[in-house]
Amino acid sequence: GEDVEQSLFLSVREGDSSVINCTYTDSSSTYLYWYKQEPGAGLQLLTYIFSNMDMKQDQRLTVLLNKKDKHLSLRIADTQTGDSAIYFCAESIGNRDDKIIFGKGTRLHILP
Amino acid sequence: NAGVTQTPKFQVLKTGQSMTLQCAQDMNHEYMSWYRQDPGMGLRLIHYSVGAGITDQGEVPNGYNVSRSTTEDFPLRLLSAAPSQTSVYFCASRARQGAVGGYTFGSGTRLTVV
Repeated sequence: GEDVEQSLFLSVREGDSSVINCTYTDSSSTYLYWYKQEPGAGLQLLTYIFSNMDMKQDQRLTVLLNKKDKHLSLRIADTQTGDSAIYFCAESIGNRDDKIIFGKGTRLHILP
Repeated sequence: NAGVTQTPKFQVLKTGQSMTLQCAQDMNHEYMSWYRQDPGMGLRLIHYSVGAGITDQGEVPNGYNVSRSTTEDFPLRLLSAAPSQTSVYFCASRARQGAVGGYTFGSGTRLTVV
């Protein structure tokens, strides 16, 4: 079945880069996503990447996709206290990409 | 404001009671989904819909019903609440297949079943 795996916790010092990793199982996924959830809030789409791309950069965010290994990563440059949140990796599945399956989320903790 | 609106924000139910969680979107999105979020479990898909009159089961559909009579609304019904259904429920919508971008999420309904 479909599955998305990611580590549950990451601690990073303020100003350093954060790298959150994810593996997925469905090789036919068209889109892969990163969502951010702040305490008490819903999920906010951070960025997405088409499955035929290797990399996507958007300001401080860099997404790398290794389709052969089914590995997705999110790099946050110059990590700030406002980046403290839970980050979810997700993939679209199904013939019409009508389902999105999420990982369990990585809680990013910023050290002063 | 455009977006996904969920009501209520908080609810306490007794075991065996039924209720409906409401979800409405004003973005003319075809796809809508319900997820539940539990500690350490991430988000799990309950039911989803690709358009009015079309619904399908997700990963954890048991104990829940949905219907999609209009594009805008996608209510989630708990038939006979159980403590295992204590969770935070999120509704989400997105545009049709082929459109870029992911789901837009509502702010959630926190449900406690006692």
